[in-house]
Amino acid sequence: QKEVEQNSGPLSVPEGAIASLNCTYSDRGSQSFFWYRQYSGKSPELIMSIYSNGDKEDGRFTAQLNKASQYVSLLIRDSQPSDSATYLCAVKLEGTYKYIFGTGTRLKVLA
Amino acid sequence: DAGVIQSPRHEVTEMGQEVTLRCKPISGHNSLFWYRQTMMRGLELLIYFNNNVPIDDSGMPEDRFSAKMPNASFSTLKIQPSEPRDSAVYFCASSSYSNQPQHFGDGTRLSIL
Repeated sequence: QKEVEQNSGPLSVPEGAIASLNCTYSDRGSQSFFWYRQYSGKSPELIMSIYSNGDKEDGRFTAQLNKASQYVSLLIRDSQPSDSATYLCAVKLEGTYKYIFGTGTRLKVLA
Repeated sequence: DAGVIQSPRHEVTEMGQEVTLRCKPISGHNSLFWYRQTMMRGLELLIYFNNNVPIDDSGMPEDRFSAKMPNASFSTLKIQPSEPRDSAVYFCASSSYSNQPQHFGDGTRLSIL
């Protein structure tokens, strides 16, 4: 059973701080990783994709991937109350079109 | 560009009735996915299609669930007969190439009374 693990939270951070969200996965062959943000009552929205080891930055968001440790993380700098949402980690199983989603981490940014 | 379009947005029906959910993927996308999301189980993949062909339906919970994709721009997910435990939000997503991310529709919130 391929799995993706996330801490369910809630993770509470003060406004302006760095929020760090973590995800581990079990499929060693996976090459494609995604972070989605989901506001309450809304659909998942893609915010980052990462395919290579290391860091990938996009505005206030940085995704980090370590395939050897089977670990992917998302950093949100200068967190804003509007960042309060559930963040879903998704891992594409290699050789398939199938994604496995984690159960999500709920982030609360306190004003 | 239009995103993934799902209908209806909300569906309330009584147990035993047939329910049909509809999805129009993003034009040019060749993979389509149906998911179900509940508080207890999170986001679960039910079935996915590639080039209109069902590839993996191992997530379909029971024979009461069926899905079709008659052409590249339309898919349906049908539940017959429906049961209260089918109540959930059902999402459709599509993607272009195998490594490209999936994009989700707004979902259908289904309530079976």
